Amino acid sequence: KQEVTQIPAALSVPEGENLVLNCSFTDSAIYNLQWFRQDPGKGLTSLLLIQSSQREQTSGRLNASLDKSSGRSTLYIAASQPGDSATYLCAVDYGQNFVFGPGTRLSVLP
Amino acid sequence: EAQVTQNPRYLITVTGKKLTVTCSQNMNHEYMSWYRQDPGLGLRQIYYSMNVEVTDKGDVPEGYKVSRKEKRNFPLILESPSPNQTSLYFCASSFTGTQTGGYGYTFGSGTRLTVV
Repeated sequence: KQEVTQIPAALSVPEGENLVLNCSFTDSAIYNLQWFRQDPGKGLTSLLLIQSSQREQTSGRLNASLDKSSGRSTLYIAASQPGDSATYLCAVDYGQNFVFGPGTRLSVLP
Repeated sequence: EAQVTQNPRYLITVTGKKLTVTCSQNMNHEYMSWYRQDPGLGLRQIYYSMNVEVTDKGDVPEGYKVSRKEKRNFPLILESPSPNQTSLYFCASSFTGTQTGGYGYTFGSGTRLTVV
């Protein structure tokens, strides 16, 4: 069965810290991997998309890496800010279905 | 603006009263999907569609119906809603990718449904 897990489940850090969120997937035959941000009760905003042939993508203070062979992706957030507080979800595209991880709830304290 | 539009955003209804949540995308995406999100259970796929007239069950299809008569629209139908269908619903769409690289999902803003 295709499963996606995320560690940690929750994270609380002081403002300014660099941090890493982890995503693991059991089936490495992926089409792409996508990181999303979700604010409470709101929709999902796409942050970064890494295609299966790529190893990383960067957008501003965000950097996502992909290691298909080990079934892992990391989302690196540099110089965290209180506005980064949200739940971060990774989703793996297997062609006919996207499998979501449970998310990491991030709190950045001023 | 490229987007997925869901309506309504909020809906309160009574048990057994049929309802439809609409979803429309303007990006010419082949793939569309419905999810529900519940606390502690994450996002679970209800139904998906690879293209017009092609639909298939996801992980939690019971109590739901869908149709894909046009490429841009993918309505979610609850024939006889029950309180356990109270949830936050999301529609999403994408181009159909290949294993050399996919295109990623675009999500709608969500529909919060309460069934009393």
